[in-house]
Amino acid sequence: DIQMTQSPSSLSASVGDRVTITCRASQSISSYLNWYQQKPGKAPNLLIYAASSLQSGVPSRFSGSGSRTDFTLTISSLQPEDFATYYCQQSYSTPRTFGQGTKVEIK
Amino acid sequence: QVQLQESGPGLVKPSQTLSLTCTVSGGSISSGDYYWSWIRQPPGKGLEWIGYFYYSGSTYYNPSLKSRVTISVDTSKNQFSLKLSSVTAADTAVYYCARECLHSRWELDYWGQGTLVTVSS
Repeated sequence: DIQMTQSPSSLSASVGDRVTITCRASQSISSYLNWYQQKPGKAPNLLIYAASSLQSGVPSRFSGSGSRTDFTLTISSLQPEDFATYYCQQSYSTPRTFGQGTKVEIK
Repeated sequence: QVQLQESGPGLVKPSQTLSLTCTVSGGSISSGDYYWSWIRQPPGKGLEWIGYFYYSGSTYYNPSLKSRVTISVDTSKNQFSLKLSSVTAADTAVYYCARECLHSRWELDYWGQGTLVTVSS
């Protein structure tokens, strides 16, 4: 199985801050990397697919980059509705695997 | 607009079989463009991928659960189902159904709202 490791596990930030979350794969996954946002009690919501493609309807302050084993999710200016947990997921091979999550909290 | 909705018992006894159904609306489960997937999330923990079903009949299950999992489809009802046998407390989780998009990078683009299944006597 491909292991996905996110860092940090949690972070505190203020509204307006630039936030960066990283995700590392245990082997090359090309650009088969997706990012999801999950709010408490809700299903995950797709933000970024194919490492850097913005899902329809997702605000442009979200962006993704990276390839092979190292990937980044960036929120350019954190908004109140962005406080949530973020997961990366590889879709390069089965079984699909997720990172452990990064919880973004209010500072 | 595609919508997925999970249904099934919220409480299952240990050693019994967990059975859930996902009803898809706004799109056909017989489309060759998607895998139909199950994912679960134990309370307070991360996401675990269970497996998927393709309209052709092929399936793939997470090896960690393979001996206990069956995913099947009822095209007449536009539904797909999950069965997990010999459950224990470790199977207590919110179970999500989701659609995996094959014509892109196999991302999970639509999810159900999730249903909590508790394993307890």
